[in-house]
Amino acid sequence: GAVVSQHPSRVICKSGTSVKIECRSLDFQATTMFWYRQFPKKSLMLMATSNEGSKATYEQGVEKDKFLINHASLTLSTLTVTSAHPEDSSFYICSARDRTSGIGGELFFGEGSRLTVL
Amino acid sequence: GQQVMQIPQYQHVQEGEDFTTYCNSSTTLSNIQWYKQRPGGHPVFLIQLVKSGEVKKQKRLTFQFGEAKKNSSLHITATQTTDVGTYFCAGPIYNQGGKLIFGQGTELSVKP
Repeated sequence: GAVVSQHPSRVICKSGTSVKIECRSLDFQATTMFWYRQFPKKSLMLMATSNEGSKATYEQGVEKDKFLINHASLTLSTLTVTSAHPEDSSFYICSARDRTSGIGGELFFGEGSRLTVL
Repeated sequence: GQQVMQIPQYQHVQEGEDFTTYCNSSTTLSNIQWYKQRPGGHPVFLIQLVKSGEVKKQKRLTFQFGEAKKNSSLHITATQTTDVGTYFCAGPIYNQGGKLIFGQGTELSVKP
């Protein structure tokens, strides 16, 4: 099946620094990618929708200036957590949908990035 | 707003026992998808159901989509330790360009 690569898988940073997470679709093109945040033993919380060539759309309550999303190409989206604080520590997962599968098609998830802010 | 509820939250079974998780949506869904997330892993797509009343099988897994397209279930027959993980249902958010709303998930543990 389709593969979505996400890295880094784990990152530890100091409070106040910025961290960039990359999400790549390896064998398909994705006009849309989604970024989720997952707390331990919890469901997936949609943070934002990343649209190739245009601005991301953020879910209510998600600070767009803190979580910068760039979708530079049909195979790459990045999430930058700016001025990270301990409360930003979480598991961040991206997902992508093959542009040929239509808007209701299955999502392919990256492996996730576990961010720990000290 | 649109909600997808999933029960139970946790299920502990003895290996060989059956397992079922139920998913209910507050609105009619165009389709429903199921994902499995192993401990420490990421969600992996299992199946998509589209038609009212649809039933699909994957080996020991049986998926159903309700007649009203508002509920769904996943049943595992004779669980194995490899079935351990969290099972999520997800449905498209109406008129939201392909976003999915996920249920809370059912965490399955299997005792050998």
